[in-house]
Amino acid sequence: AQSVTQLGSHVSVSEGALVLLRCNYSSSVPPYLFWYVQYPNQGLQLLLKYTTGATLVKGINGFEAEFKKSETSFHLTKPSAHMSDAAEYFCAVIDTGGFKTIFGAGTRLFVKA
Amino acid sequence: DTGVSQDPRHKITKRGQNVTFRCDPISEHNRLYWYRQTLGQGPEFLTYFQNEAQLEKSRLLSDRFSAERPKGSFSTLEIQRTEQGDSAMYLCASSSGDRPNYYEQYFGPGTRLTVT
Repeated sequence: AQSVTQLGSHVSVSEGALVLLRCNYSSSVPPYLFWYVQYPNQGLQLLLKYTTGATLVKGINGFEAEFKKSETSFHLTKPSAHMSDAAEYFCAVIDTGGFKTIFGAGTRLFVKA
Repeated sequence: DTGVSQDPRHKITKRGQNVTFRCDPISEHNRLYWYRQTLGQGPEFLTYFQNEAQLEKSRLLSDRFSAERPKGSFSTLEIQRTEQGDSAMYLCASSSGDRPNYYEQYFGPGTRLTVT
């Protein structure tokens, strides 16, 4: 069965610093991987996705993630944090049936001025 | 189209009461999903519709929960005899039925349920 592990429930960075949010997955089939962002009291917004092809995927708001099969990882990065990036971030994988999304527990990103 | 909408956004109810939530998906999407999110956790899958057919239900969905999508458009999620443990954010999502986009789910703003 698929699963997702996000390392670190809270990450704090200074404004302008590199953002790195870690995600490892477990999947018996080639995974479809996603990062979502959630602002307080709102639904989830898709940041980026990996399905096939290029392993480095770019998303909205300057975020990108790299699929590394050998490490079963899909870490999210952004070169320079902005105050507006403060939110909860969820890594997710689509299950083998192709309809259900399995989410990690989330990482809350704090950005200090 | 403005995306997935959910109504109400907030619901406070007393234990034992019934509640019903509505989700309107993106109009051309034929797949619709319900998830539940408790504080500090990621969303957990509840159920999934393709058009009007409910194709999968999680074990999280007890007999007190029922979901419908009568004409393959909007969906309702009803919880009967609510319990305090039902307090959560209920999220609806929709996706296209076309490859490869059916993996990409668009989420609504959620309905936050508080059971007192």
